[in-house]
Amino acid sequence: AQSVAQPEDQVNVAEGNPLTVKCTYSVSGNPYLFWYVQYPNRGLQFLLKYITGDNLVKGSYGFEAEFNKSQTSFHLKKPSALVSDSALYFCAVRDRNYGQNFVFGPGTRLSVLP
Amino acid sequence: EPEVTQTPSHQVTQMGQEVILRCVPISNHLYFYWYRQILGQKVEFLVSFYNNEISEKSEIFDDQFSVERPDGSNFTLKIRSTKLEDSAMYFCASSAGLSDDTQYFGPGTRLTVL
Repeated sequence: AQSVAQPEDQVNVAEGNPLTVKCTYSVSGNPYLFWYVQYPNRGLQFLLKYITGDNLVKGSYGFEAEFNKSQTSFHLKKPSALVSDSALYFCAVRDRNYGQNFVFGPGTRLSVLP
Repeated sequence: EPEVTQTPSHQVTQMGQEVILRCVPISNHLYFYWYRQILGQKVEFLVSFYNNEISEKSEIFDDQFSVERPDGSNFTLKIRSTKLEDSAMYFCASSAGLSDDTQYFGPGTRLTVL
């Protein structure tokens, strides 16, 4: 069975500082990994994904994530946080051998303080 | 930039009534999905749809639920007899196909069952 953990409900960071939002996953096969962001009263916006190849993937709005197979992690990072990055972040996994649906993590609320 | 749209943004209904939630996926996409998010909880997969039939469904997607693509543009989720616990945000998503399975989400419909 597939599962995703986001160990932190809330992450607070000062504007201009680097941010990390953590994600670990469990799948039986090889994973496709995704990050989505949800702003208040909005849908889920795609940020980036890992399918294959380079373990460091770059996405929208300056975000990047690193796939670490040995640690089964896919942490989201940004070198310098903006107040406008404050939102709810979801990690999702799809087992490429199992089907089309995503399994989402519980979400991490990021607050960037001015 | 093309996007997934959903109507209505908010639907209030009485328990036992039927509701139809509507989605217009991105026009050249082939796979369509419904997810739901109960307030404060994680995003959960309901069903995926391809080539005019259901390709996967979760345990949540019981006989009360059905999906349809009545024409070339709309994708609908019907709940036949709503229950209080169906109150949630329902997200529609679409993806281009197996070679690019990034799922793009609509803004959601908030369903409130009284």
